[in-house]
Amino acid sequence: QLQESGPGLVKPSQTLSLTCTVSGGSISTDDYYWTWIRQSPGKGLEWIGYIYFRGSTYYNPSLESRVYISVDTSKNQFSLSLRSVTAADTALYYCVGQDSSRYFFASWGQGTLVTVSS
Amino acid sequence: DIQMTQSPSSLSASVGDRLTITCRADQNIDTYLNWYQQKSGRAPNLLIFGASTLQSGVPSRFSGSGSGTHFTLTISSLQPEDFATYYCQQSHTTPLTFGGGTKVEI
Repeated sequence: QLQESGPGLVKPSQTLSLTCTVSGGSISTDDYYWTWIRQSPGKGLEWIGYIYFRGSTYYNPSLESRVYISVDTSKNQFSLSLRSVTAADTALYYCVGQDSSRYFFASWGQGTLVTVSS
Repeated sequence: DIQMTQSPSSLSASVGDRLTITCRADQNIDTYLNWYQQKSGRAPNLLIFGASTLQSGVPSRFSGSGSGTHFTLTISSLQPEDFATYYCQQSHTTPLTFGGGTKVEI
């Protein structure tokens, strides 16, 4: 199971920070990449990027300049930072377990709504 | 980026109907195509991966087919719990991308 946590309101130009806690299994597995996906009415479902438990990452080029994903294996958590946010970053953010061989999204958190507003 | 186009964007159906949703990729993605169901207020749920492999626990009335650029999701006999939005997703090339969704309404 995955559970997102973090502020639901972020001011424009600031940094959005979310954490995902993985329970019922170890984050230190070769079976999954740990992924962030967001969903907004305007842009639909958008894949943000993933991290492997050893620390390697891959980001969507459309967000790469502002995104950072990290992992803390001791806490079974991974985190998302998105810098310089605007209203366009308002979305429901999901943390997801992504199959590491076929790249489908096998396990989803419930999602957390982040609103960018002053 | 690979563009995924679903059709129709919405449809009305009745319990017991046979339903087919189409997903097209703008380039060849072999069978790297996955389908998800999303109910209102919930996260998407994986139905099918690899174009035609049913995820464990998914009812057999769901099936998927296709390869290359043209794919379909079929529900053989629509049940009340199947009214939802369905998304396709390509896993052939990063960045991974989704279709715009098909909303199935009563």
